[in-house]
Amino acid sequence: NAGVTQTPKFRILKIGQSMTLQCAQDMNHNYMYWYRQDPGMGLKLIYYSVGAGITDKGEVPNGYNVSRSTTEDFPLRLELAAPSQTSVYFCASSIWGQDVHFGPGTRLTVT
Amino acid sequence: GESVGLHLPTLSVQEGDNSIINCAYSNSASDYFIWYKQESGKGPQFIIDIRSNMDKRQGQRVTVLLNKTVKHLSLQIAATQPGDSAVYFCAEIEGLGSSASKIIFGSGTRLSIRP
Repeated sequence: NAGVTQTPKFRILKIGQSMTLQCAQDMNHNYMYWYRQDPGMGLKLIYYSVGAGITDKGEVPNGYNVSRSTTEDFPLRLELAAPSQTSVYFCASSIWGQDVHFGPGTRLTVT
Repeated sequence: GESVGLHLPTLSVQEGDNSIINCAYSNSASDYFIWYKQESGKGPQFIIDIRSNMDKRQGQRVTVLLNKTVKHLSLQIAATQPGDSAVYFCAEIEGLGSSASKIIFGSGTRLSIRP
C-alpha cells in the first residue's frame, strides 16, 4: 500500500489565487482529515470526513472547502489565497478514528 | 472550546536516560488518546494509543499513562536514543467510532537528546 499520498509537495501562490491540494489513500479508510501546521505549532483540524459524501468543519475551516466523492480521495480547495494560509498541510486517514495515518505534507507559501 | 495542551514546550534529556512528556486535556468526554512523533520535515507518526478505560499501556520502549481524575496523559520513553529527537504531540478523540469523531492535537513538546 502507498498509504496516504499528497500532491504537490511544495507550492507558491500569489494572493488571490486558488488551488487544490490533492490527497488520496489506498487503505480503504473511512475517515479522512485535513490539518494545517504553522511553524513551531501543533496541528489544527480544517475539515474532516467520516465517509464518502460526508464532510464537516474542524477548528479552522474558513477559506477552505473540501469534497469527498470517493472513499479514496479528499481534496482541499483554497479559494482566494491569503498570506495567513501559508502553512504545511497534512492529510490523514483512519478507520473509525483509530491509528490515524498521515501523509507527507504539502508546504504552501502565499505571497 | 475544548483543547489539548502540553505542560512544557521543550525537553532536553541525556542519552540513555528516560524521557517523560506530559499532556493535559480538558475534554472529560474524550475516550481515546494518541501520542504522535513528528520528525523535522515529516508528517506525524503514530507511537501509541490508549482508551479511556485503561490507565496504562506499554509498547516497545514507550509507555503511556492516563490519569482521568486530573485529565493528564504522559508518554514515557525508556533509554532515550538520538533517534528519539522529535516533536511529540498528544491528541484526544471524543466519540471514537461515531460520525462525530475527530482528533484534536496539542501544541507539541520538542525532545532533544544530549550526547
